[in-house]
Amino acid sequence: DAMVIQNPRYQVTQFGKPVTLSCSQTLNHNVMYWYQQKSSQAPKLLFHYYDKDFNNEADTPDNFQSRRPNTSFCFLDIRSPGLGDAAMYLCATSREAGGGETQYFGPGTRLLVL
Amino acid sequence: GQNIDQPTEMTATEGAIVQINCTYQTSGFNGLFWYQQHAGEAPTFLSYNVLDGLEEKGRFSSFLSRSKGYSYLLLKELQMKDSASYLCAVRDSNYQLIWGAGTKLIIKP
Repeated sequence: DAMVIQNPRYQVTQFGKPVTLSCSQTLNHNVMYWYQQKSSQAPKLLFHYYDKDFNNEADTPDNFQSRRPNTSFCFLDIRSPGLGDAAMYLCATSREAGGGETQYFGPGTRLLVL
Repeated sequence: GQNIDQPTEMTATEGAIVQINCTYQTSGFNGLFWYQQHAGEAPTFLSYNVLDGLEEKGRFSSFLSRSKGYSYLLLKELQMKDSASYLCAVRDSNYQLIWGAGTKLIIKP
């Protein structure tokens, strides 16, 4: 089945210790997104790629970086995690970027910062 | 600023009908989505409305009024598995997806 896969499902890191979350997709979609979602809040878009074109949201902290080495994979790097970065990180894909294009989500990675 | 408003929480009884409302103020409009999100899981797509009116899909229906900046999601014949959060999201004129915080729906037997 075509899908969006995120690893790991749960990640524990220490304050200030870099961490990388990964996402892969078998849908062959052009667009990949990273969201941060805290409990009972709306998903917050961090950035997205249209193919290799990177689009950073204006309020995404510099502490968050992303890489998309090919169509299938996208990574979220948190350079120095703080306690406030504990959240669910959701990867999503869509075929195109506009109109009625549905975003398909992976199962998410829950990050805990100690 | 852009804003999506949904009730924080609703409670309904198994077998009943519930309507979850969403109002929005966005810079432009290019469609409205409803997603279902079970606790600790990713959102899954339910419906998409871009024209006024009702879209029916099985037990779920979604309605849109663009002039009023208003949508609702109607769930019929509620089942215990429908207990989840329901998120409303609007695509604005820049094709950005603006998300609501979601409505937590609790189903009681």
